[in-house]
Amino acid sequence: DTEVTQTPKHLVMGMTNKKSLKCEQHMGHRAMYWYKQKAKKPPELMFVYSYEKLSINESVPSRFSPECPNSSLLNLHLHALQPEDSALYLCASSQDSFLAGELFFGEGSRLTVL
Amino acid sequence: DAKTTQPNSMESNEEEPVHLPCNHSTISGTDYIHWYRQLPSQGPEYVIHGLTSNVNNRMASLAIAEDRKSSTLILHRATLRDAAVYYCILRVTYSGAGSYQLTFGKGTKLSVIP
Repeated sequence: DTEVTQTPKHLVMGMTNKKSLKCEQHMGHRAMYWYKQKAKKPPELMFVYSYEKLSINESVPSRFSPECPNSSLLNLHLHALQPEDSALYLCASSQDSFLAGELFFGEGSRLTVL
Repeated sequence: DAKTTQPNSMESNEEEPVHLPCNHSTISGTDYIHWYRQLPSQGPEYVIHGLTSNVNNRMASLAIAEDRKSSTLILHRATLRDAAVYYCILRVTYSGAGSYQLTFGKGTKLSVIP
């Protein structure tokens, strides 16, 4: 199984809602990542978890709250988002945070904030 | 931050080789060179990576200049399925935190003409 699975594929939420994006991998990878991608732009790194600990936070606003409950799961909790937060949110995993090998991406969760 | 420079777009005829260039003049000795591609409506997909020597895999070849300030991704026979945005990325250390990250540049949009 070389897949990174993201749910939901599409999410529409209001600015007062609380929702979560989920990501799962069963490759035994110990590093997991959240990227944000706006239309026609490259992905931008948000967070990195290494061995279930947050190792990189790229100055992401606190309305985005990551969580890594175990080595296979990564969540992104969303609260009080703004319309400009509408984007494709990509999850990825790698064997470890040394990144000498491949980064596996999911297909993304497309978020629309109304 | 070590950055990469790529042409915005390139065209290739189907079944011909494609050479996608990338400049990374500020690369440091431990920075790996990664290539990913992103097809429309999909997450990025790993293509190839290397450190100093040229690399080959089933998808492509990576030619790295002797001074490592540039590299070229070679697709040996372009197909319509190869039409995508190709990203040349350096794996760099994150602020001495013992973690590494892949920071995507703008990429090259490759069009394949039947």
